[in-house]
Amino acid sequence: DAGVTQSPTHLIKTRGQQVTLRCSPISGHKSVSWYQQVLGQGPQFIFQYYEKEERGRGNFPDRFSARQFPNYSSELNVNALLLGDSALYLCASSVDRGPQPYGYTFGSGTRLTVV
Amino acid sequence: QQQVKQSPQSLIVQKGGISIINCAYENTAFDYFPWYQQFPGKGPALLIAIRPDVSEKKEGRFTISFNKSAKQFSLHIMDSQPGDSATYFCAASMEYTDKLIFGTGTRLQVFP
Repeated sequence: DAGVTQSPTHLIKTRGQQVTLRCSPISGHKSVSWYQQVLGQGPQFIFQYYEKEERGRGNFPDRFSARQFPNYSSELNVNALLLGDSALYLCASSVDRGPQPYGYTFGSGTRLTVV
Repeated sequence: QQQVKQSPQSLIVQKGGISIINCAYENTAFDYFPWYQQFPGKGPALLIAIRPDVSEKKEGRFTISFNKSAKQFSLHIMDSQPGDSATYFCAASMEYTDKLIFGTGTRLQVFP
């Protein structure tokens, strides 16, 4: 079975631009969460979607938005990119709404570099 | 109160030794404590998890010890191997919430 698939794996953007990151969860998983991992730090929660509805939002500005599609795949959009948005963006899928009790399965992430 | 504090930041262990990573939390509403392992270029992978109603959980060479009164939990890796060299994150969550709160990570290096 395929794991969590994220695309693209790497990209470079200029300050002020907009970016869209994509995630396909494990088949049968209805929940997708997005995390930002800055180099040398632990992942920080951005969004969680379950059954195509936003169920949770972390402490990130409105420049960050996301959505989940009928096939449970998801997109994360970031507008007006700042240098500080440079990070590894991780997508996690789970069977149930949250990380309990089966845990998250993370993708390998999208490495975003803002120059 | 939403933080999970992790130590040490880095750890060097000889092959066959025991690796110990510690985490502490403040929020007593946390009720799920997983550990994740992350290799370079990969996303975190769930290693082992524990709930506060048990004091210890073992899976192979990996053991979580949990001290509810001290609000601390730790990961023990027995017979550490070079293949265990990775970054380890503790995390916590509350039931019916949608997020994991991660520690800052521990980079483990196991030398032959």
